[in-house]
Amino acid sequence: SQQGEEDPQALSIQEGENATMNCSYKTSINNLQWYRQNSGRGLVHLILIRSNEREKHSGRLRVTLDTSKKSSSLLITASRAADTASYFCATYSGYSTLTFGKGTMLLVSP
Amino acid sequence: DSGVTQTPKHLITATGQRVTLRCSPRSGDLSVYWYQQSLDQGLQFLIQYYNGEERAKGNILERFSAQQFPDLHSELNLSSLELGDSALYFCASSKRGTGGFEELFFGEGSRLTVL
Repeated sequence: SQQGEEDPQALSIQEGENATMNCSYKTSINNLQWYRQNSGRGLVHLILIRSNEREKHSGRLRVTLDTSKKSSSLLITASRAADTASYFCATYSGYSTLTFGKGTMLLVSP
Repeated sequence: DSGVTQTPKHLITATGQRVTLRCSPRSGDLSVYWYQQSLDQGLQFLIQYYNGEERAKGNILERFSAQQFPDLHSELNLSSLELGDSALYFCASSKRGTGGFEELFFGEGSRLTVL
C-alpha cells in the first residue's frame, strides 16, 4: 500500500517555468526521498531529506519537509524539456523498506 | 547507468506458466530489493535480501518467491502466472540494506506480459 501520495497527478509547464510537486504521507517517518523515472525506465534517486531537516537543495532541486503536516514538496526551478518524467516520493518509517507513492507526471514543453 | 543489471528486459508468456527474473546488483552492494510497478497499483515493494538472507517482506504473493545467491545476484520466481501479474518488475540495490536510510539504485526493469 502507498504511504506517500503525490499531488498533482500530472503537471504540464513550459520550459523555464518552475515545477512544484507535493507529497503527503500518513505515518511518522525517518526520512523521505524523491526519485525520478523517465518513461518505462528505472528510477533514479534525486534527494533524501531526514525528518529533522526542513529544507534541502541539490542543483535546481529544492525539497522541503513539514513533519507537522506530514508533507513534502519538490521544486524544480527553470525547468527543461529533459526534466519530463514521473517524480515519486518515497518514505521510510523504520518498518520494512521504502514505500513509494504513485507519482506526478511532469511534462515540460519547449 | 545505475550498475544494476536485470534480465530479461521483456518477457511474454501465457497464464499458468512460470518465469524467472534475474538481477545483478551494483558492485559492492549487499542488498537487493524487488519492486512491482503496474498502472493501477503503482510501485509495490515485494521483498528485500541482504547478503543472502531475507530482510524484509512486502506485498509478495505466495506464488512468487525470491532468493539471493552467494555471488549476491538475485532471482525472482513467478509461478502460476495470471493476467494481473503483467507489470514492470524492478530490482534495486544498496550498500548496507538499511531500507530507507540510503538511496536505492534501480535497474531498468523486466517487463512481463502475461497473455
